[in-house]
Formats: sequence, C-alpha cells, structure tokens
Amino acid sequence: DVKVTQSSRYLVKRTGEKVFLECVQDMDHENMFWYRQDPGLGLRLIYFSYDVKMKEKGDIPEGYSVSREKKERFSLILESASTNQTSMYLCASSRGLEPYEQYFGPGTRLTVT
Amino acid sequence: AQSVTQLDSQVPVFEEAPVELRCNYSSSVSVYLFWYVQYPNQGLQLLLKYLSGSTLVKGINGFEAEFNKSQTSFHLRKPSVHISDTAEYFCAVREVGQGGKLIFGQGTELSVKP
Repeated sequence: DVKVTQSSRYLVKRTGEKVFLECVQDMDHENMFWYRQDPGLGLRLIYFSYDVKMKEKGDIPEGYSVSREKKERFSLILESASTNQTSMYLCASSRGLEPYEQYFGPGTRLTVT
Repeated sequence: AQSVTQLDSQVPVFEEAPVELRCNYSSSVSVYLFWYVQYPNQGLQLLLKYLSGSTLVKGINGFEAEFNKSQTSFHLRKPSVHISDTAEYFCAVREVGQGGKLIFGQGTELSVKP
C-alpha cells in the first residue's frame, strides 16, 4: 500500500520561529510536492522537486524554502514564521512518468501565533 | 495558462439523492483530469481520473465523471449519496507532456443530510 507520511498532524509555532515540516514517501517516487490549503483557495503549489537536490518554485514560494537530500524525504522550511502562514500543509509524491498521479499525505495543520 | 473552476463552493443534498459537482477547465492542449476527495482532517485521496479513451470514467465509492472536450468540463456525479460522502471534493488538471504539476480547483464542500 502506498504511503506518504508527514511528521506532525498539528503544530503551533510563534512568529519569527524557524519551522521544519517533514514528508517521507515509501514508493520510490521521483517527484515530490508541497502545497498549502486555505478555505476557498483550494491547493496552491509552494515548491516541488523532480529529483534529489533539485527543486523548483511553485506558485507561492515566498517565505518558504525546501530541501531534498534523499529521494524519499522532502522538507519544507519556514525561515521566519508569520501569522499569514497559518494553514494546512499537504505533501504529495508521484512517479516521474505520465500521468504523474499524485499521492497525498494526511496534512499538517500549522498555527503561527 | 491552464486553470480550473469549480462552480459550486458548497452543495447540500439529502441522503439517497443524486448529486453533480461541476468542474470546468481552460487549456489549449490535451489534458489529464482528476477528482480527489478529502474527508475531514485527512489528506486527499484519488477518486477517479481521465487519461484518454472513454469519456465516461468510473471511480471509487460509486462516483463517475464525464469528460466533455467541447465544453471543457469534467463534472462528477453520483446517483445516490450517503452520509459518508460528506467531504470536500477537488477537481485537478494537468497538461499532457508538461511535467508533474497539477492545477487544482477551489474545492466543493459536499454536505449530505439525513
């Protein structure tokens, strides 16, 4: 059974803190993605990676960075958390071939106070 | 540029009634189309997908969707809903040959009442 796991389901951080969100997949997928989900806006792509040590900006990369040192792990970093980064964060992975069907983790609900 | 519009943000319906969740997309090239479901406090799960071939696609839990190229639509239907179908539903599109990025609609919240 395919599996994408995220390090925390709920997280509360203070403004200005550095925040790490971890995602691990066990399907040997080449591609990994980070989204944020907000009511009425659907899912918006923050960053994605097609291979180890490779990353590309999505639609809303400002205030975020990522790291992919191993194929199975993709980390999202909030360098200095702000209240407008309070959101649900979803990680996904897919094979590197058509049709690139994405498999999602359970999500991390981050609250920045 | 491609985009996805889900025409209803909320759809309330009574149990055992039929339901249709509407999705329109814009793209100048061939696309793959997906419907995902998100149950409360969970991640997204693939409901069904259109890649090619028959325009009527059947998915899990009795859902089906029809791809209409001329109207650029991919509406999701179920003939008789259950309380357990209460969830948020997302339509997503990806242009063929354009890498792995998906574009998602804003989501439709389906609320099934007894």
